[in-house]
Amino acid sequence: DGGITQSPKYLFRKEGQNVTLSCEQNLNHDAMYWYRQDPGQGLRLIYYSQIVNDFQKGDIAEGYSVSREKKESFPLTVTSAQKNPTAFYLCATQPKGNYGYTFGSGTRLTVV
Amino acid sequence: GENVEQHPSTLSVQEGDSAVIKCTYSDSASNYFPWYKQELGKGPQLIIDIRSNVGEKKDQRIAVTLNKTAKHFSLHITETQPEDSAVYFCAASRRSNSGYALNFGKGTSLLVTP
Repeated sequence: DGGITQSPKYLFRKEGQNVTLSCEQNLNHDAMYWYRQDPGQGLRLIYYSQIVNDFQKGDIAEGYSVSREKKESFPLTVTSAQKNPTAFYLCATQPKGNYGYTFGSGTRLTVV
Repeated sequence: GENVEQHPSTLSVQEGDSAVIKCTYSDSASNYFPWYKQELGKGPQLIIDIRSNVGEKKDQRIAVTLNKTAKHFSLHITETQPEDSAVYFCAASRRSNSGYALNFGKGTSLLVTP
């Protein structure tokens, strides 16, 4: 089955900890994106990557980091510098060209 | 950059009625307009899209219209059913330095009551 796998589905973080959210795809899509969604809010872009070994900051990159070492993988690290990390995180992929995204099922991160 | 505005933010209709959600965009170079449906606790799913060389597209009970001159596009859902209840997002994109990144509206929460 082609698709996007986000893991874990639920994640709990203690204050001061870094956590990494996984996003893996087997759609052979070039571009990958990370969005943050807060309750009742829209989608805010954190980071995106058009090709392997290259990525750019989105609108709310502070306190987050990413890597794109393989085409299939685009992990997001939420660092201790992110003061309000509790949110629903969505990974998306896009084939080359002007097409719609395919979204993963999301990871809900909660600070405890 | 591109600014996409979406209205209304909430919409309640009775089962069987039609629902219309409207979006406007600011960048006249935008040429791709997808719509997404997000159910509670899930990722958004693409339900229909339209390109700027087309004025209208229909898929069963869902249709999208595009007015390039006015820079607005709308989602029409006919014969609504309770399972249509969800949050709907519009988006717009064009080629830019950031590739083809989508610019999203803030979403419309649609409630279909039996």
